[in-house]
Amino acid sequence: DIQMTQSPSTLSASVGDRVTITCRASQSISDWLAWYQLKPGKAPKLLISKASYLEGGVPSRFSGSGSGTEFTLTISSLQPDDFATYFCQQYETYYTFGQGTKVEIK
Amino acid sequence: QVQVQESGPGLVKPSETLSLTCTVSGDSISNYYWSWIRQPPGKGLEWIGYIFYTGTTNQNPSLKSRVTISADTSKNQLSLRLRSVTAADTAVYFCARHPGSDGSKSLGHFNLWGRGTAVTVSS
Repeated sequence: DIQMTQSPSTLSASVGDRVTITCRASQSISDWLAWYQLKPGKAPKLLISKASYLEGGVPSRFSGSGSGTEFTLTISSLQPDDFATYFCQQYETYYTFGQGTKVEIK
Repeated sequence: QVQVQESGPGLVKPSETLSLTCTVSGDSISNYYWSWIRQPPGKGLEWIGYIFYTGTTNQNPSLKSRVTISADTSKNQLSLRLRSVTAADTAVYFCARHPGSDGSKSLGHFNLWGRGTAVTVSS
């Protein structure tokens, strides 16, 4: 199994902050990585696929980078709508997710 | 606008079978691969398995012996059956669409999800 380790598990930040979330894979996954945003009671939303491809309709303040085993999701200027939980997912072999990062209001 | 809606009993007894339905409106399920994914309380997401309308399926090896996924194109629905449930199967269950239909690795993510349905396993 490919294990995905996200850090931090919780992140306290303010509106306007630059936020970075890290996801590490237990083995190389090339760039087969996606990022999602989850809010309670809502459908999860795909933000980024193939490590850095921004999905249509996703604000440009979101960006993804990395390849191999280390990846980051960056929110350049945190907005009120961005307080949520974020998950990474590898799709190199089967599909596994990170444990999630909750972005909360500082 | 495509909509995805999971449904099923919110409470299942231990050792019984959990049965869920995913109803898709606004597009044919035949155009995509579809997966079931779950999130236990306070934990991360776990992929359960996928299906293409032709009957092609694949399951998480950790759940494979207990999982059946099927598709009904006449109703535009997907179904999940999970046998011999325990408390560890308590979770929110999501239905999610892959972005295409060729089954290639590049389509291994999920570009449309339902809101999920909560299932508790308890006597």
